Amino acid sequence: GAVVSQHPSWVICKSGTSVKIECRSLDFQATTMFWYRQFPKQSLMLMATSNEGSKATYEQGVEKDKFLINHASLTLSTLTVTSAHPEDSSFYICSAISTLDSRRTYFGEGSWLTVV
Amino acid sequence: SQQGEEDPQALSIQEGENATMNCSYKTSINNLQWYRQNSGRGLVHLILIRSNEREKHSGRLRVTLDTSKKSSSLLITASRAADTASYFCATVSTGNQFYFGTGTSLTVIP
Repeated sequence: GAVVSQHPSWVICKSGTSVKIECRSLDFQATTMFWYRQFPKQSLMLMATSNEGSKATYEQGVEKDKFLINHASLTLSTLTVTSAHPEDSSFYICSAISTLDSRRTYFGEGSWLTVV
Repeated sequence: SQQGEEDPQALSIQEGENATMNCSYKTSINNLQWYRQNSGRGLVHLILIRSNEREKHSGRLRVTLDTSKKSSSLLITASRAADTASYFCATVSTGNQFYFGTGTSLTVIP
């Protein structure tokens, strides 16, 4: 089946630094990818919709200058957390929709970010 | 917020019993899906029910959908210890954005 890979699976960074998380569709092309955030013991919250070749659409309350999303190709979207703070520590999950079948959404395995 | 509500927040049952989780949502939906998540891991897709369907079965899972009440339920029959996980409903918009419910933490005691 279709696979979405996230890298890194977990990362620790220092406060004030930036960290990039990649989301790749391995065996299909994805015009649209989505980024979600999940704090411990909470639900997943949609952060933004990422469309290949255009600017991401952010959900209300998500700072676009802090969470930079780049969807430069049909198989890769990146989320960069800029000037990270401890409160940004979270589980980040992406999902992707195949260009051939928009009815199916495939989720990545998630990336744990810890900011110290 | 378009996040749905789930209840109960936590559920603890004995192995072999049935577990029922309820989900209420706020907006119109294209479909509703249920996912399972083991602690600290990714999502496992369980079942999808479309807005024009009322009930769906998959193995030990039974999902109902009542669009007039904007609610759905997930029933796991004959539970097993391996069913211990968090369960989330997710409403899916026409743009394929997922809005997850608050989740139910299920513990099945062997």
